[in-house]
Order: sequence, then structure tokens, then C-alpha cells
Amino acid sequence: AQSVTQLDSQVPVFEEAPVELRCNYSSSVSVYLFWYVQYPNQGLQLLLKYLSGSTLVESINGFEAEFNKSQTSFHLRKPSVHISDTAEYFCAVIPTGGGNKLTFGTGTQLKVEL
Amino acid sequence: EAQVTQNPRYLITVTGKKLTVTCSQNMNHEYMSWYRQDPGLGLRQIYYSMNVEVTDKGDVPEGYKVSRKEKRNFPLILESPSPNQTSLYFCASSLDRSTDTQYFGPGTRLTVL
Repeated sequence: AQSVTQLDSQVPVFEEAPVELRCNYSSSVSVYLFWYVQYPNQGLQLLLKYLSGSTLVESINGFEAEFNKSQTSFHLRKPSVHISDTAEYFCAVIPTGGGNKLTFGTGTQLKVEL
Repeated sequence: EAQVTQNPRYLITVTGKKLTVTCSQNMNHEYMSWYRQDPGLGLRQIYYSMNVEVTDKGDVPEGYKVSRKEKRNFPLILESPSPNQTSLYFCASSLDRSTDTQYFGPGTRLTVL
């Protein structure tokens, strides 16, 4: 079984400041890792994912996440946030062996303030 | 436009009154899932389907039923809703591999009185 821990339920930050949203996972098998974002009153949409290769993955809107196998972490970062980044962010994992059950963390609410 | 649609978006009902939440995708995806989202618990999978007539339980299947008679549709059925099923429900679909992105519907907010 897999589990995902997002210790920060809320992260307030000022616009143009850097931010890091933390994600740690536990699994007895290899997993793929995902970050999904949920804007207010919308469904989730994929932000980025790590499947293999370079441990640093990037999204089109400036977020990046780094897979650290030894620390079982997949933290999400952005060097300079914008008001429009205000949303809830979910880290998720899925076994590499197949299936489509995503195991989600409890989410981190990012609130960007002026 | 590629999308997952859910209906209704909002529903208030009473305990014991059977209801169905519909889900439809137009991307010819094999996999479909239902999740519920509760504060402090994130999203938990209720049921999933790998193809027509193939369904299986997720983490929290009690009190729910599903069916997959057509590839595009995956309705969620609550035969006797209870207040602890008050939640935000999401349908999702993906191609056929765990590496594939899951596409989520807009959500259905259900209140059971």
C-alpha cells in the first residue's frame, strides 16, 4: 500500500515570493509521482509528473518538483508566485506495476497575497 | 473539446432516497474512476473501471455501486444515501497505463440530510 503526506495544510505567501510545498510518500513498491492542482470550484488538473529519467521535472507555468528517492520526497517549488497560483495542490502516487489508483495526499492550500 | 462531464453539479437529498450521479468522457479512455473529496482527507478512490463491464472496489466502496455498460459512461449509484456520504465527488478518466494523466470532471457536491 502507498501513503502520501503533505504536512502543510495551508501556505500563505506574498506575490513574487518563492514557495515550496512539501510531499513525502511511503510505498513498498516503485511509484510514479504526480502533482495535481485544483483551482476554486474546479476539478483537478495535472501540474507535472515524474515517471523516470531526470529527477527534476517542470511545468509550463513555472513550477518544478524534484524526486528524491532516498528521502522519498517530491517537493513542489516555484521561485516567484503569482496571484493566479492560488489553489489547492495535491501530491499523488501510483504504483509503476500497473493499475490506475492514485493515492493522494491531503492537499496544501496555497494562498498568494498582494 | 476533450472533457469529463458530471451531472448534477449540485444535489441536496434526504437519507434513503436513491440517486445516480452520471459521468461521461469523450476521449475514448479505458480507465474511469470515482473519488470523493473530504476536508483533511484529500481524495479517496471509491470504485474504478478498467473497461466495459470490468469494475473493482477502491478504498471506500461501502454504500456505493457503479456500472460500466458503455465505454464513455460510468455512473455512480447511491442506493440508500446517508449523511456520511455528504461530500464532493469527482469522476476521472485516463488511457490505459498508470503513467497516463487522469482527467477529472468538475465535481458534484452532494448533501444528504
